[in-house]
Amino acid sequence: AQTVTQSQPEMSVQEAETVTLSCTYDTSESDYYLFWYKQPPSRQMILVIRQEAYKQQNATENRFSVNFQKAAKSFSLKISDSQLGDAAMYFCAYNGGSRLTFGEGTQLTVNP
Amino acid sequence: DTEVTQTPKHLVMGMTNKKSLKCEQHMGHRAMYWYKQKAKKPPELMFVYSYEKLSINESVPSRFSPECPNSSLLNLHLHALQPEDSALYLCASSQEGPWRQETQYFGPGTRLLVL
Repeated sequence: AQTVTQSQPEMSVQEAETVTLSCTYDTSESDYYLFWYKQPPSRQMILVIRQEAYKQQNATENRFSVNFQKAAKSFSLKISDSQLGDAAMYFCAYNGGSRLTFGEGTQLTVNP
Repeated sequence: DTEVTQTPKHLVMGMTNKKSLKCEQHMGHRAMYWYKQKAKKPPELMFVYSYEKLSINESVPSRFSPECPNSSLLNLHLHALQPEDSALYLCASSQEGPWRQETQYFGPGTRLLVL
């Protein structure tokens, strides 16, 4: 079964600084998607960024970028120029074609 | 438009009540999902409908009854719930189904409290 591991239950960052959230996963599939979702206190689950495993290029969405290392099964999220609105629970998720598997989440605090 | 809507936002019910949660999407998606989420935990999959047919039921107790009247609507009927069923219930949709590597888009959730 696929598993997703987020080893950092909590992280904090100063406003305007950069922070990296870690995620590793275990799969025997070669074709899959990886996601980072953000869940602020309002509890809405918001898609931050998506990476298709067959693509070598790392996905980028404005201040959010990923470091996708397929061989190492690693998928970290970098948030640049952190803003107060980035404070949230971040979930890494994997979809290999059966269901969406989530990690346990990383609670990010942004300090002014 | 990537919007999934859910009503109500909050619901308080007694253990003998019957209530329903509603979810709607207008993205032309053919797959819809119900998840249950406890505080500070990831969502847990409950049900999946694909092309209006129930394709996954994650051994959810029968006091939860899903319904998909059409490809845009998804209901979750609740009856005789227990206090431990208190949670955030999230609806999501995707283009066709969980067996494809698709993006799921989530609604804002219904926060349920069972007294």
